[in-house]
Amino acid sequence: GIQVEQSPPDLILQEGANSTLRCNFSDSVNNLQWFHQNPWGQLINLFYIPSGTKQNGRLSATTVATERYSLLYISSSQTTDSGVYFCAVERYSGGGADGLTFGKGTHLIIQP
Amino acid sequence: EPEVTQTPSHQVTQMGQEVILRCVPISNHLYFYWYRQILGQKVEFLVSFYNNEISEKSEIFDDQFSVERPDGSNFTLKIRSTKLEDSAMYFCASSQDSTLPQLTNSPLHFGNGTRLTVT
Repeated sequence: GIQVEQSPPDLILQEGANSTLRCNFSDSVNNLQWFHQNPWGQLINLFYIPSGTKQNGRLSATTVATERYSLLYISSSQTTDSGVYFCAVERYSGGGADGLTFGKGTHLIIQP
Repeated sequence: EPEVTQTPSHQVTQMGQEVILRCVPISNHLYFYWYRQILGQKVEFLVSFYNNEISEKSEIFDDQFSVERPDGSNFTLKIRSTKLEDSAMYFCASSQDSTLPQLTNSPLHFGNGTRLTVT
């Protein structure tokens, strides 16, 4: 199956800092999504981004499908950005709705 | 904004017992999923469901697991004979808005999860 590697595994920043999270995947994919798991365990969808660039407020993401990586940018970090950020990918087999393969995540701590 | 709802939020059961985890996906979504997350680990795919049948399942989803859509709104995961290693957070998710063109992929929306503890 597809391998998903996320880096860094852990990141501690001061409030206001910017950060870049990386996701590498081992095969071409049709589906790539970024999720934020907050300290209460909720998984929040940030971006559906199999290719290209998207922005939503202080967050933006870029996927370079031909080079098999995606980046998540967080600007002007706030303490509420703390949590685990997961990248998840899917390569359609043509048989239906396959599942997403998740990376191990980047654990982000924003200190006040 | 519509959301996926899961009940119960916590479930404690004894090894060997059957449990049913319940989910109400977003009403106009077509695909439904179960994922699980063992404490401190990554999220793992269990099964996807479309058009009233299993679309895909992982190696984790063995004979002790089953899914059902008993009516037009509920989607359930049954674990027949729970084992200690089944302790995890179980997430339900849905996707693919039926009002959008069928070839349009859509983001996955997760419920808040059911924390299952097997003792």
